[in-house]
Parts: sequence; C-alpha cells; structure tokens
Amino acid sequence: AQTVTQSQPEMSVQEAETVTLSCTYDTSESDYYLFWYKQPPSRQMILVIRQEAYKQQNATENRFSVNFQKAAKSFSLKISDSQLGDAAMYFCAHNSNSGYALNFGKGTSLLVTP
Amino acid sequence: KAGVTQTPRYLIKTRGQQVTLSCSPISGHRSVSWYQQTPGQGLQFLFEYFSETQRNKGNFPGRFSGRQFSNSRSEMNVSTLELGDSALYLCASSPTGGTSYEQYFGPGTRLTVT
Repeated sequence: AQTVTQSQPEMSVQEAETVTLSCTYDTSESDYYLFWYKQPPSRQMILVIRQEAYKQQNATENRFSVNFQKAAKSFSLKISDSQLGDAAMYFCAHNSNSGYALNFGKGTSLLVTP
Repeated sequence: KAGVTQTPRYLIKTRGQQVTLSCSPISGHRSVSWYQQTPGQGLQFLFEYFSETQRNKGNFPGRFSGRQFSNSRSEMNVSTLELGDSALYLCASSPTGGTSYEQYFGPGTRLTVT
C-alpha cells in the first residue's frame, strides 16, 4: 500500500519567520508526482506546489519551496517569510499508480503568530 | 475561468436515505475525482472519471457510486446512508491531457447523516 506520513500534527511559526513541514511517502514506482495542498478554515483545498519525481531540482513557488529527497522518500515544504494568511492545514499528497488518485497524509496544522 | 463548483454546499440526510452530490469542473477539464474527508480517516480517494468512464476507484463499498456526463459534470451517489458517511465530499478536476496530475478542488459538500 502506498502511504504518506506527516509526522507533525501541529506547527507554529512567527510572522516573517521560516517554517518547514515534513512529509515522507512510500511507493515502489519510479515516476510519480508529489504535492502540497493548503486547506484554510474555508475548507477550500489550494494547490501550493508540486514536484515531479524525475526532476532533481527542487520546486519553488514564491515563498514556498520543497526539499525533495527521492532516495529517502522525503518531501518537505519550506515556507519563508511566513504570513498570517499562511495559517491553515497543509496536506502532503502523492499520486497513486501514476494516475489522478491522490494519497494524502493526515495533515499538519500551521499556526502563524504575530 | 470559473473554479470547480459543487452543489449543494450543505446537506442533512437521515440514515437509510440516499443522496446525490453534483460537481462541475473547470471549463475544459475532463477528469473529475471525488474524495471523502473525515476527522478520523482524513482525505480518501473515492473515484475518478474521464470522458464518462470510471478510470480509478478507491476502497469504498458499492453504496458509493458516481457518473460523469458528456459535458464533464459529475455526480456521486451514496445509497443507504450510514452515520459514518457524514463527511466533507470534495470534487477535483484536472486539465485535459495534462501530465502533471494537478488537481483543482471545489469548496466541497458537507453531508451530515442523522
């Protein structure tokens, strides 16, 4: 079974600081995609960033970047210059069998304090 | 472009009844996936449709079914509702021919079974 593990149920960061959310996954496939989604209190899931497994270069989207370690099956999300609007649940996800079915982790609740 | 829309946003049903939820994907998106989100089980994949065909199915009982129409709109149906079916049901659509497997989520339908 393919699994995604987020070991940090809750994290806290001060505004303008940097925080890293951890994610590990398990797969026997060599080609796949990894995603981080954000779910604010509105419950709307928002795609934050994605990473293709065949790409060595870590993905970056503005203040969001990932540290992708394929051999270790690790995919952490770094949020720089944290803002109050970053407060949300963050889900790590992996696409199953190279299709559209996503396996999600349990999520990390991020609190941003002024 | 308008985002993914889901109707209704909230539903209250009685155990034993059936329910139909609707999802309209982003214009041009032909893949539609459904997920169930509960506090206990987290986000779980239900099924994915592409060009009116179910391409992938998660591990849910046969009471959960879906379909897709020629305009890519999708419906999911849950028959003989159980208390445990209370959840947020999320629909997501993906671009036609996309290889990145990005999914864009709707706001969800909150189903409460009493």
